[in-house]
Amino acid sequence: GDSVTQTEGLVTLTEGLPVMLNCTYQSTYSPFLFWYVQHLNEAPKLLLKSFTDNKRPEHQGFHATLHKSSSSFHLQKSSAQLSDSALYYCADYGSSGNKLIFGIGTLLSVKP
Amino acid sequence: NAGVIQTPRHKVTGKGQEATLWCEPISGHSAVFWYRQTIVQGLEFLTYFRNQAPIDDSGMPKERFSAQMPNQSHSTLKIQSTQPQDSAVYLCASSFSGTGGATEVFFGKGTRLTVV
Repeated sequence: GDSVTQTEGLVTLTEGLPVMLNCTYQSTYSPFLFWYVQHLNEAPKLLLKSFTDNKRPEHQGFHATLHKSSSSFHLQKSSAQLSDSALYYCADYGSSGNKLIFGIGTLLSVKP
Repeated sequence: NAGVIQTPRHKVTGKGQEATLWCEPISGHSAVFWYRQTIVQGLEFLTYFRNQAPIDDSGMPKERFSAQMPNQSHSTLKIQSTQPQDSAVYLCASSFSGTGGATEVFFGKGTRLTVV
């Protein structure tokens, strides 16, 4: 069935270093991929989305490229900031087309 | 626009008691979703309404969980005979159409349920 895999449960970085959070998916039909970010005691919010192969959307310094050949949608940022510390979820609409299927989430902790 | 509103934000129940969680979706949104959030499972889909009609409840534990949407301005998730494993953050979300593609899903801050 459809699924989203995030391999890192916790990523700890020093401020200024690059960020890369992994996301791979299994989708029966054409994928629609999303990254959501959730800060402490806040609601998850949309960060990025992509439906087009090899296109790279950007928002707030983050970017992610959907690669259908490798079924991946990794989240990247060139330089981590303290304010980037949050829980990041990768998601896909999958074959159902009517509900988001989420990965387990990656907690990003950025330290000075 | 106050966003998706969930009440209460925190709820503590004794084992075996009933818990009712409330959600007010964004005005004008026709789709409402419920998710359960835990460290172990991440965000698990529970159920989905479109125009108040139940569309997909494939994620709902069948025996003790139920959800309703009596009108377009609120939805409830009810858990009967709560168990410690029901402890989680329950998130409600809404979107314009509920179909895939470019439709953005907006989440509430959730209700943290603790069963003691």
